[in-house]
Amino acid sequence: AQTVTQSQPEMSVQEAETVTLSCTYDTSENNYYLFWYKQPPSRQMILVIRQEAYKQQNATENRFSVNFQKAAKSFSLKISDSQLGDTAMYFCAFMKGGSGSQGNLIFGKGTKLSVKP
Amino acid sequence: DTAVSQTPKYLVTQMGNDKSIKCEQNLGHDTMYWYKQDSKKFLKIMFSYNNKELIINETVPNRFSPKSPDKAHLNLHINSLELGDSAVYFCASSQGPLGTQYFGPGTRLLVL
Repeated sequence: AQTVTQSQPEMSVQEAETVTLSCTYDTSENNYYLFWYKQPPSRQMILVIRQEAYKQQNATENRFSVNFQKAAKSFSLKISDSQLGDTAMYFCAFMKGGSGSQGNLIFGKGTKLSVKP
Repeated sequence: DTAVSQTPKYLVTQMGNDKSIKCEQNLGHDTMYWYKQDSKKFLKIMFSYNNKELIINETVPNRFSPKSPDKAHLNLHINSLELGDSAVYFCASSQGPLGTQYFGPGTRLLVL
């Protein structure tokens, strides 16, 4: 069974600074996908970034980038130039790939990020 | 236009009642999901439908019954509500099981 671990329940960062959220996962699969979702106080789940395990290049989306270390089963999220609107719960998620996938997202317990002015 | 919508957003009800939550997506996706987020914010999949057929049914009590009348809708009916059913329920959709999942705004259910 796959598991996703987020070891930082809470973090804070000053506006305009950079912060890194950690995520590790455990799987015996070779074909899978990893995601970061953001949940602001509005409760909406918003996709931040998606990474295919077969791609060596780290995914980036504007100020958000990941450090994907497949051998170490690590998938950290870096937020550059933090903004007040980045304040949210951040969830790391794993999904098995391949033709047998059922689209089951397995989530970590989340990291609550506070951006301080 | 809202991509994935859920109604109602809030639902307060008494133990033992039966309630439904509706979900609609206008993204043209063929796969839809229900997730439950508990009081500690932990998210877990409940059901998944692909082209109106059930493909995931996690260990959820059979008091929970999903219904997919067409590919754009996946409703969740809950019988004999219990205190432990209090949670936020999220609907999501994707194009195929490998597509990125887009979530609805969630329905906060409170059982008294």
